[in-house]
Amino acid sequence: QKEVEQDPGPLSVPEGAIVSLNCTYSNSAFQYFMWYRQYSRKGPELLMYTYSSGNKEDGRFTAQVDKSSKYISLFIRDSQPSDSATYLCAMSLYYNQAGTALIFGKGTTLSVSS
Amino acid sequence: DVKVTQSSRYLVKRTGEKVFLECVQDMDHENMFWYRQDPGLGLRLIYFSYDVKMKEKGDIPEGYSVSREKKERFSLILESASTNQTSMYLCASSQHDSNQPQHFGDGTRLSIL
Repeated sequence: QKEVEQDPGPLSVPEGAIVSLNCTYSNSAFQYFMWYRQYSRKGPELLMYTYSSGNKEDGRFTAQVDKSSKYISLFIRDSQPSDSATYLCAMSLYYNQAGTALIFGKGTTLSVSS
Repeated sequence: DVKVTQSSRYLVKRTGEKVFLECVQDMDHENMFWYRQDPGLGLRLIYFSYDVKMKEKGDIPEGYSVSREKKERFSLILESASTNQTSMYLCASSQHDSNQPQHFGDGTRLSIL
């Protein structure tokens, strides 16, 4: 089973708010976890990439992985209007000897108002 | 920075036409991928390639084929376009090392009339 669950939103917050975006998954074979940001009419761009359980911080962004609960989160501190986008979680799954594929959540649309 | 370039941002074709979508990456990545993205369905993998002339089916390969004659170029072919293939098509590339993140192009929005 490859399913990844992600609340599609939309999520609307005021500028400066702390945003929490979440994904759950059921397949314990997932190894690596990523968050992508996608602006309208653009391709997804990689935001965060992590392997182990715990937190990884990059500026205003923190990625959190809890493998025991099969739950990942992305926190955005001091949110800005420029953070308005769709956020996709992704998880890597070993496909076959050819390599791995990414399984994506359906994305959460975030709107930050000034 | 990794750059993945898709040849067209917008494309309009007619039912039954043979359609070619082109993708080029400049980072010498071994792996290349084609996805389609539809509202409410997310990204779905059509095909991927891990080497020149090699290809693997993804989750929804029906109605599509691919070609990888050179390492940097990966083409998606709609053999006989149908209206249900109207979608956003995204190309991505990654290093062969398993679990490396994928880097995406800006997509081709394809409309089949």
